[in-house]
Amino acid sequence: EVHLVQSGAEVKKPGATVKISCKVSGYSFTDHHMHWVQQAPGKGLEWMGLVDPQDGETIYAENFQGRVTITADTSINTAYMELSSLSSEDTAVYYCARSNCSGGECYDWFDPWGQGTLVTVSS
Amino acid sequence: DIQMTQSPSSVSASVGDRVTITCRASQNIAGWLAWYQHKPGKAPKLLIYAASSLQSGVPSRFSGSGSGTDFTLTISSLQPEDFATYYCQQANSFSLTFGGGTKVEIK
Repeated sequence: EVHLVQSGAEVKKPGATVKISCKVSGYSFTDHHMHWVQQAPGKGLEWMGLVDPQDGETIYAENFQGRVTITADTSINTAYMELSSLSSEDTAVYYCARSNCSGGECYDWFDPWGQGTLVTVSS
Repeated sequence: DIQMTQSPSSVSASVGDRVTITCRASQNIAGWLAWYQHKPGKAPKLLIYAASSLQSGVPSRFSGSGSGTDFTLTISSLQPEDFATYYCQQANSFSLTFGGGTKVEIK
């Protein structure tokens, strides 16, 4: 069975950087892209970006470009999302989510998702 | 970016009701659309992909239709476990974008 297990909740001060991990099991880590999605309190879902663990290639959403770094460590089957220059607007739950790749084609809908990591930014 | 507009933003319904949620894309996305169910404190769950394909393990009362710019998610007979927020998501081009969500509430 496929599992995505994220690191625990974080509390950060404004201006700080947070790094969240997403450890996968149950499938070949390099066969599927990994995405990150933000959900701020009372808001909808916002896509942040993805990493291809096969070669480390990334694509970022314009809203997060310059502040987000998504990486993958294939030695421990773990993806990471680092977000810098935090402000109160970054208080949110962050999810990792796997896209569906088959035979070299990737379809960018997400299944499964990690359990979510709450990041609170407060002075 | 492609904008995804969902309607209604909320709907009150009773168990057994038929519920339809619509999603409109700001440009043609062919069939590159997914639907998710999201309950508080849980991870979102993929229901429908490629506009009309039912994800494995999802009850058949869920169905999706549409192509181009207009899409619908239908729950044929609402069950107690279906009260949640539903999101559409376009997978046609980056940046990937979600609709604003539709909260299905108990009437």
